[in-house]
Amino acid sequence: EPEVTQTPSHQVTQMGQEVILRCVPISNHLYFYWYRQILGQKVEFLVSFYNNEISEKSEIFDDQFSVERPDGSNFTLKIRSTKLEDSAMYFCAKVTAREAFFGQGTRLTVV
Amino acid sequence: RKEVEQDPGPFNVPEGATVAFNCTYSNSASQSFFWYRQDCRKEPKLLMSVYSSGNEDGRFTAQLNRASQYISLLIRDSKLSDSATYLCVSALGQNFVFGPGTRLSVLP
Repeated sequence: EPEVTQTPSHQVTQMGQEVILRCVPISNHLYFYWYRQILGQKVEFLVSFYNNEISEKSEIFDDQFSVERPDGSNFTLKIRSTKLEDSAMYFCAKVTAREAFFGQGTRLTVV
Repeated sequence: RKEVEQDPGPFNVPEGATVAFNCTYSNSASQSFFWYRQDCRKEPKLLMSVYSSGNEDGRFTAQLNRASQYISLLIRDSKLSDSATYLCVSALGQNFVFGPGTRLSVLP
């Protein structure tokens, strides 16, 4: 059973629309990360979320992005006013000092 | 966040070949190192951690040279199922930095 489950697996949205990507951890872990991988490119860090607060964010994570833990278990990544260049795989990961466990990812396609 | 660089690839090798991947990292403070495997359009999955003394897991051998900030992965007797992209990762605490990956195709 995966450590982290993400929904949806694939989302197609029109440019300018808002999307919400969801991540559900199996265990009650405090430290979660969001990564992005544009097709054919490397896995890029977006943001880390610790104990209901943003711990660190990259330059990619601008005002268009936000993260929340709305109900104490699920984690969400919201992208406001999507752009074509937001098309990518978005991975949620449970991270420890020994390993990063990735969810299956959400493939976001902005058209 | 500092960078991790890898052989650009792709590597196309026949079944049974031995293949070596190279990786360098720029952050000398990095504490942990890993090799991840990523299949096409799938999530990265941990292949093995890399220790200073070098470590082996079956057909896979990983080496770390802290002085040169260099990491390697050797795959012996490659199988068709080894075809994937191999990601080199350096970490400082829980801050993981991924290399761009090297794609391997093992051919029958």
